[in-house]
Amino acid sequence: GENVEQHPSTLSVQEGDSAVIKCTYSDSASNYFPWYKQELGKRPQLIIDIRSNVGEKKDQRIAVTLNKTAKHFSLHITETQPEDSAVYFCAASRENTGFQKLVFGTGTRLLVSP
Amino acid sequence: EAGVTQFPSHSVIEKGQTVTLRCDPISGHDNLYWYRRVMGKEIKFLLHFVKESKQDESGMPNNRFLAERTGGTYSTLKVQPAELEDSGVYFCASSRQSNTEAFFGQGTRLTVV
Repeated sequence: GENVEQHPSTLSVQEGDSAVIKCTYSDSASNYFPWYKQELGKRPQLIIDIRSNVGEKKDQRIAVTLNKTAKHFSLHITETQPEDSAVYFCAASRENTGFQKLVFGTGTRLLVSP
Repeated sequence: EAGVTQFPSHSVIEKGQTVTLRCDPISGHDNLYWYRRVMGKEIKFLLHFVKESKQDESGMPNNRFLAERTGGTYSTLKVQPAELEDSGVYFCASSRQSNTEAFFGQGTRLTVV
């Protein structure tokens, strides 16, 4: 089955710096890759996703890149702000057989210091 | 629009007891999913309902776990009898279609002592 590895487990940056979180997946049939943000005590929320037919997607300060050959995808946050502090989860699934049968990474705790 | 609601938010029970978790999906969402995060590890898929039917229950860990969604509205997840390793956060999510964004609840933190 699918296995998703996520690094780093913790990431501390200064406000204004960029943050990069990386994930690798094992199932070459996976074609849907969402990223979730979970603030302390709150629910996980989808912040961006990418499908395997594109290599990059951007939404304001957040971008995700996908390398299908290497089977890895990354989340990039630019100009980080204290409110970006949260746990970020990457995930993977097969869109045609289990879109929400997500396999998650172990999470990255991002701390943005003012 | 109200979000996905889970009850209780926290539950502490003794090993061997029974606990029932409840999830109220967003109104109109036929698809309902259960996930859990054990001991700070990854969030793992448990099962998927489409209305009242179990579409995929391949992630259910063992027969001590029973999920139901009578009437296709809210869902319950019962653990009987609970074991120490069942401790974790149980998340519910719902989506309108099976290929659209799923919205998560805040989770139920279960502690088995």
